[in-house]
Amino acid sequence: QQQVKQSPQSLIVQKGGISIINCAYENTAFDYFPWYQQFPGKGPALLIAIRPDVSEKKEGRFTISFNKSAKQFSLHIMDSQPGDSATYFCAASKATNAGKSTFGDGTTLTVKP
Amino acid sequence: GAGVSQTPSNKVTEKGKYVELRCDPISGHTALYWYRQSLGQGPEFLIYFQGTGAADDSGLPNDRFFAVRPEGSVSTLKIQRTERGDSAVYLCASSPSTHITSEQFFGPGTRLTVL
Repeated sequence: QQQVKQSPQSLIVQKGGISIINCAYENTAFDYFPWYQQFPGKGPALLIAIRPDVSEKKEGRFTISFNKSAKQFSLHIMDSQPGDSATYFCAASKATNAGKSTFGDGTTLTVKP
Repeated sequence: GAGVSQTPSNKVTEKGKYVELRCDPISGHTALYWYRQSLGQGPEFLIYFQGTGAADDSGLPNDRFFAVRPEGSVSTLKIQRTERGDSAVYLCASSPSTHITSEQFFGPGTRLTVL
C-alpha cells in the first residue's frame, strides 16, 4: 500500500510559468509534510514544509497548499526557472514517529528556457 | 561547515558478498537516518538512530541488513549475502534532533551495484 502518491511523474514547463506537483496521502496520522528537491548525483534537500494546522505556506517562489479534508497537498513553483529543473519529492511523517518519513515516487521537472 | 558524507560513493560487488556502507553525519547531530532509493523512486526508509540506539528499524527489508552507530556519530550499514535486488543508492541523513520539524540533511549517497 503506497501511503503517499505523487503526480505527475514528469512535468515540462516554460521559463516563467507555474509548476504544480500534487501529492495525496492515506494515513490521517501524518502531520508533517515536507517537499524535497533532488539534483542528479545529490541527496534530497528540504525545500519547504507544512503542518496541517495551516492551509498554505509560502517561501519565496515556492508555495505549499494543503487540503486536510481531501488528504492532499501540492507544491507550486512560481516564475519557474531552468535552475529549478530537478526531481521533487513530497513526504509525510507522524509526530509519534518523527524519524520515519514516507516519500512519494518523485516528479521530474524540466523548465525550458 | 561539512555536510553529511558517505563512503564509498560507488560500490560494485558480486552476489553473495558482504558490504559495509559508511555515513559521517553533521557534527552534533544526534539523529541519523538510512534510506534506500531505487531508480525512479523516492527514498525508502530503512532505519533511524537517536544517539547510539536504533529508534526504529522497521524498514530493514530482512535480516541480511544491519546498521550500527556505536559512538553516536558515524554509522555503518551492513549487508550480508548481497542479492541483485539490493542494487540501489543508499542515502544517509542526519538532523539535530528527532523532533518532527527538525530538518534532515542528506548525504550524496552510495551507489551499490550487485552483479
